[in-house]
Parts: sequence; C-alpha cells; structure tokens
Amino acid sequence: GAVVSQHPSWVICKSGTSVKIECRSLDFQATTMFWYRQFPKQSLMLMATSNEGSKATYEQGVEKDKFLINHASLTLSTLTVTSAHPEDSSFYICSASKVGQGDSPLHFGNGTRLTVT
Amino acid sequence: DQQVKQNSPSLSVQEGRISILNCDYTNSMFDYFLWYKKYPAEGPTFLISISSIKDKNEDGRFTVFLNKSAKHLSLHIVPSQPGDSAVYFCAGFPGGGNKLTFGTGTQLKVEL
Repeated sequence: GAVVSQHPSWVICKSGTSVKIECRSLDFQATTMFWYRQFPKQSLMLMATSNEGSKATYEQGVEKDKFLINHASLTLSTLTVTSAHPEDSSFYICSASKVGQGDSPLHFGNGTRLTVT
Repeated sequence: DQQVKQNSPSLSVQEGRISILNCDYTNSMFDYFLWYKKYPAEGPTFLISISSIKDKNEDGRFTVFLNKSAKHLSLHIVPSQPGDSAVYFCAGFPGGGNKLTFGTGTQLKVEL
C-alpha cells in the first residue's frame, strides 16, 4: 500500500524558533498534499493544500506567513512553523493522494507532535 | 460550521458485540464518505468508504451504511475486537474535489 512518511515524529522547540516538518510520499507521486492540525480531542482541521510547483492554498484563519508550505517535488512537501509560540503546540499530520486517483482515500503520515516551550 | 458531526465522543463495547459509530453531515455536496481509524500519536489509516450512489458497503467485519435523505452514515464493526479500540473519524469528500472534511471523532473502547 501507499506510504507517506512524516519527519520528525516529535519535536520540542523554544518559543521564537522555527521548525520544519517534512512529508514524503515514498512509493507514489502526489501532486497534492494536505496539511492538517489536530488539537486534543478535536477533529483534524485542514490547514492548507500543497500543490507541487505552485503556491499552497490556505484555509480561512490559517496564517500563511506563519505556516510556510513548500511542495518542491511530486514526493515532498514541507511545513515550516515560523516564530513558534506555545499555542502552536499541536499534532500536525500530512496526507497525500495519488496522481490520477481523485477518489482514492488519502494516505496519511504518522504525524508530528510539536511542543513549543 | 461543523459540516461533519460525530455526536458521540466515546463508545464502549464488549468484545464480540457490535460497535455502531454514527456520523451526520450537513454539506449536500459531499458524494463520497470515508472512515478512518486513528491510534494515539499516529496518523489516521483508511478503513472503508462509500459512494453516495450506494447505501451500503461491506468489507469483512466493517460495514458502512449511508442514508442520504437523513444525511447520516454509520460504521458497524462486528464482531468487535480489542484491537479495534481507537478513535474513528468519518470524513466527507465533495464531488470533483479532494479536500476531506473530518468529523470530531469517536473514541471506541472494546472491552474484554
């Protein structure tokens, strides 16, 4: 089955620093990747849609200058949390769909637990 | 605006019995629904899906039912096993798009 790898699985950083999270599709090409955020006991909230070779599309209320997304290739998207604050502490999950399979279930990474101290 | 709702945050079921997880949606543009299972500190894994042209889809112990007129779907797990203990999310998918909208999840606990 399709595998999406997310790295790191957890990270602790100091307030004011930046953190980069990588999302890779290991055995398929993904023109579109998605970044989600999950607060404790809440749903997965879509933050942004990452399109290879173009600018990401952010959901309402998500600061694009704070959550920088780069989708440089068909197998890699990165999310950089800039100038992190404790309220950015959360579980971030990426997902990807295979090229040409619009109805295929999205494949998810294992998530990144970010803690900002 | 919560377009996909899972009104039961938790459910406890005995091993061997049936687990029924419910999901309601408001967006009539959804034409494909999926259920995901999530363990703590892991990403969701796909479980089963259903197209809006169907009212039932079955895969082993898992069956999803869709009632379009009521905008309601449910996931049945029978027989329930301890390894089924996880958070289950339903998600809606609009026709022509690929953005999933998730429900808030239901924590299922299958007890021995």
